[in-house]
Formats: sequence, C-alpha cells, structure tokens
Amino acid sequence: LAKTTQPISMDSYEGQEVNITCSHNNIATNDYITWYQQFPSQGPRFIIQGYKTKVTNEVASLFIPADRKSSTLSLPRVSLSDTAVYYCLVGGVDSSYKLIFGSGTRLLVRP
Amino acid sequence: AAGVIQSPRHLIKEKRETATLKCYPIPRHDTVYWYQQGPGQDPQFLISFYEKMQSDKGSIPDRFSAQQFSDYHSELNMSSLELGDSALYFCASSYQGSYNSPLHFGNGTRLTVT
Repeated sequence: LAKTTQPISMDSYEGQEVNITCSHNNIATNDYITWYQQFPSQGPRFIIQGYKTKVTNEVASLFIPADRKSSTLSLPRVSLSDTAVYYCLVGGVDSSYKLIFGSGTRLLVRP
Repeated sequence: AAGVIQSPRHLIKEKRETATLKCYPIPRHDTVYWYQQGPGQDPQFLISFYEKMQSDKGSIPDRFSAQQFSDYHSELNMSSLELGDSALYFCASSYQGSYNSPLHFGNGTRLTVT
C-alpha cells in the first residue's frame, strides 16, 4: 500500500489560494489519488480524485505530475469554512478494500 | 441524496460492557468500511466487507467483530469494552462496480466508555 506524506499544518487567509502537496513515492500503477476533507466530529468528505495530469471540479483542482509520486490539492480563494483537516489517500483495485488514512494536513484559514 | 446512516450517534457504556454499532450504506453500494478515530488522531482502518464477505482487515482488536447482512447494512460488535475504545467510529460505503468509487462516510458514532 502506498504510504502518503503531507505537511502537518498550514495557515492561510481568506481569499488566498491554498496548495497542499502529498508525497506518495511508491504509488502503484493502478492506484488513484483521492482527497478528503474532515471537519471536527464529522466523517471525511470526498473532494476530488485523479489518476494523472490535472482534474478540476467545482471546489478544487488536483495536479499530478507525470511520475505520479506526488499530488497537489489546490483550493482557490479559501474561506473560513475551509478550515479543516485534508487527507490524501492512494489506492486502486488491488487495495480498494483497505484504504489507509495517513496524517492529514490541518488547514487554518484566518480572516 | 441518500447518505450513509450510522446509529446510534452517541453511545455511553461502562468498562467490560458490549456495544453494537450499525451502519446503513448508500443504496446500491456493496462495500462497507469501518474506521476508528480517537481524539486528535487520524482515522484508523478496522475492517471492510464486500458483498457480505469480509474483504480486508486492519488494526481491529480481537474483542471486536463485524458482519455485513443481506440488505448490505453492517454491524460492528464490541465486547469487553476498555477505556481506550472511546472514539468516533465511522462507517463508509462505496460501489466496487465503479472503478475507484470514492468512499462516502457517515457522521459517525461517538462511543464513550466510562
């Protein structure tokens, strides 16, 4: 199973763009990269998923370089409500029944 | 849209008692996962089920058992409870028929052991 490494915490201000990078050096060929957001006392919530290059949805973008050994979650123009813990998970068909959370990134958005 | 439903939301038990947590997945989802999250910690994978069969196991104590029923709901049974079992327990579901279907989590059961 691919192990992930993320920064423990990040600070930002409202209206700024935030980029959170996740390292996953031993990602397998069939693995996808999925990001979740978690607020205190709530279950993690799916944000975005990708395999390679760039993926964008209504809330975030995900950048994955050609070697796929890292990925970057980009949150445009963050607001106070984006203060949460963000997790990067790596898994695929071979490991889809045992998705492991690493240590997430605690994002604090200040006014 | 229907979400993952967990019950109860809160549960208080004493040491050495038993507890049963229930999870109702999103309709058509065939896979259920259980996670434990202690205070200030990251979610820890316990166990998963696909089509009513155990599919993988993580750091689940022998005192815990789980199963998935014919209607795809799942129950996590915890016996001989210890103070250290106090945590949030999350259930998630996904549809394996969709390649890399993301997990959808419930809002958890908060278990307090006194």
